[in-house]
Amino acid sequence: KNEVEQSPQNLTAQEGEFITINCSYSVGISALHWLQQHPGGGIVSLFMLSSGKKKHGRLIATINIQEKHSSLHITASHPRDSAVYICAVGGAETSGSRLTFGEGTQLTVNP
Amino acid sequence: DTEVTQTPKHLVMGMTNKKSLKCEQHMGHRAMYWYKQKAKKPPELMFVYSYEKLSINESVPSRFSPECPNSSLLNLHLHALQPEDSALYLCASSQADLRTDTQYFGPGTRLTVL
Repeated sequence: KNEVEQSPQNLTAQEGEFITINCSYSVGISALHWLQQHPGGGIVSLFMLSSGKKKHGRLIATINIQEKHSSLHITASHPRDSAVYICAVGGAETSGSRLTFGEGTQLTVNP
Repeated sequence: DTEVTQTPKHLVMGMTNKKSLKCEQHMGHRAMYWYKQKAKKPPELMFVYSYEKLSINESVPSRFSPECPNSSLLNLHLHALQPEDSALYLCASSQADLRTDTQYFGPGTRLTVL
């Protein structure tokens, strides 16, 4: 079992739909990162959170430390949101230079 | 400036060639990273420089040689690579500690080894 599990692996939505991507982890963490990777490679950091909830535009990230679970929500989805979304955790016991990555969720938003 | 730049964007090399990948950031970040990413997989950490010193080498073969000439620059020297080394090579930087700091990624260099 991976230390960081994401679901679903693949997600197809229609433009305008509300989207949720889930991330569960099995280790103690100091911070959880949500990353976005578009085709062509570049990775953008969307959120870093260690508790509660953060919002940026149409994106919302939440984390429940007790349940070791985080969700990334996209409201009013748009085709430009099509990308791979990756959850990564910075472990509480590990060095501050390593992230453990989930396998990613491929999101496709159709017009 | 919140950008990490990488050159070249694409690189094709033979197994006997020597080439270098370059990464630059001007955010004052003290940690810089090299990742390797294969298709449909998450990035794999290769090296970490912290305050210009190599702090992590994830048992990477010696045909990959990192260099940090100063706090803004990170190089990855390539020599005698194998076709299986073909991948996207990503550079990243952060203020210091990923337990508290956001990581900024470059656009990557897509490497093909013939």
